[in-house]
Amino acid sequence: DTGVSQNPRHKITKRGQNVTFRCDPISEHNRLYWYRQTLGQGPEFLTYFQNEAQLEKSRLLSDRFSAERPKGSFSTLEIQRTEQGDSAMYLCASSLVAGQGNYGHTFGSGTRLTVV
Amino acid sequence: GQQVMQIPQYQHVQEGEDFTTYCNSSTTLSNIQWYKQRPGGHPVFLIQLVKSGEVKKQKRLTFQFGEAKKNSSLHITATQTTDVGTYFCAGIIQGAQKLVFGQGTRLTINP
Repeated sequence: DTGVSQNPRHKITKRGQNVTFRCDPISEHNRLYWYRQTLGQGPEFLTYFQNEAQLEKSRLLSDRFSAERPKGSFSTLEIQRTEQGDSAMYLCASSLVAGQGNYGHTFGSGTRLTVV
Repeated sequence: GQQVMQIPQYQHVQEGEDFTTYCNSSTTLSNIQWYKQRPGGHPVFLIQLVKSGEVKKQKRLTFQFGEAKKNSSLHITATQTTDVGTYFCAGIIQGAQKLVFGQGTRLTINP
């Protein structure tokens, strides 16, 4: 297992275009999370899945953002009609949650989005 | 809203000096996790604390969880240049499932 994989690593797009990012979590993990991180800040929660079910979505997330996790495996995060304020590092993480245990996140290397 | 605050924002030390970062939550946490992010890298999980008053050690790193489960600290003894990076605390609010990250403390070290 090579950990959490994200692609692309970098994406430059023009304002108004749609972008899609992919995340492949650790196969044994049942939770998958998306975060956004800007310079000098901690990761900001966007949404998470338990298996294929999307259980929570941040109120900060506009309706231009959508995430899917078909079949409970990889996940995609789509941003429609991108704006310059969407420029950030988008991090995916996975974790194992079993019983009362909630274990640490394993993060991917992220996708850096630049909207010009 | 629910927030996890972390201080200081920056800390510069001489190699060999100790370092401490503090984390405070406005609400009770079910657990707290600590992550390290090297410059240009992604957060890497260090440890999780669950019990009130819990103390855990990893070599030169000591992690504490407050009695009220609203605060935590990370202390590094005798810093080394490999300790450079940003240290984040992240808490799970009781009754919720998502992690809320602090703003991080960026540690730089003068060799």
